Amino acid sequence: GAGVSQSPSNKVTEKGKDVELRCDPISGHTALYWYRQSLGQGLEFLIYFQGNSAPDKSGLPSDRFSAERTGGSVSTLTIQRTQQEDSAVYLCASSLYGQTYGYTFGSGTRLTVV
Amino acid sequence: AQSVAQPEDQVNVAEGNPLTVKCTYSVSGNPYLFWYVQYPNRGLQFLLKYITGDNLVKGSYGFEAEFNKSQTSFHLKKPSALVSDSALYFCAVRDDYKLSFGAGTTVTVRA
Repeated sequence: GAGVSQSPSNKVTEKGKDVELRCDPISGHTALYWYRQSLGQGLEFLIYFQGNSAPDKSGLPSDRFSAERTGGSVSTLTIQRTQQEDSAVYLCASSLYGQTYGYTFGSGTRLTVV
Repeated sequence: AQSVAQPEDQVNVAEGNPLTVKCTYSVSGNPYLFWYVQYPNRGLQFLLKYITGDNLVKGSYGFEAEFNKSQTSFHLKKPSALVSDSALYFCAVRDDYKLSFGAGTTVTVRA
């Protein structure tokens, strides 16, 4: 597509429930990133996918967080047994692979855990 | 690891006045630096980048940034601010294959 698409745009869930967040990157972009933006905070790196390589999961805050990318395109970020501290905006970005390229971001999913 | 710092949480300017948002960097080797802007309830939008070449980089919406190697700075500037420039601005540096972001600076332009 023309841009990075994320769904849903807003999600309210009860504490303890599982949630799935979806990211559809720009066609042809081999690199895909998930970041988390908490209220009043900067952007926290979560996970990185590049082509068929093993993802870099070093930023995932706990084992309740996981992500996958199917067919080198769409990615799903899953949070199990959600906690209130998981409330944040989850941003997805995609990029052409290489040091000189910046990202194109999606509009994000605002997750609220009540 | 590469990193950037934005020393100001907030910047307030009057419309028509010059706008500067500060960023300093800490890198080993040559830095790849970026500025992004986030409008309310929106994702981040790319403004400009410095890879190599001229120290003055021009970007979207009339913004420019000056790369200063001796001061390790990459400040974002606009000669005449608009109310519509009110937003959250992030400086970022390429850290291996990912971007590391500053904490962000909230810009408010008053009419």
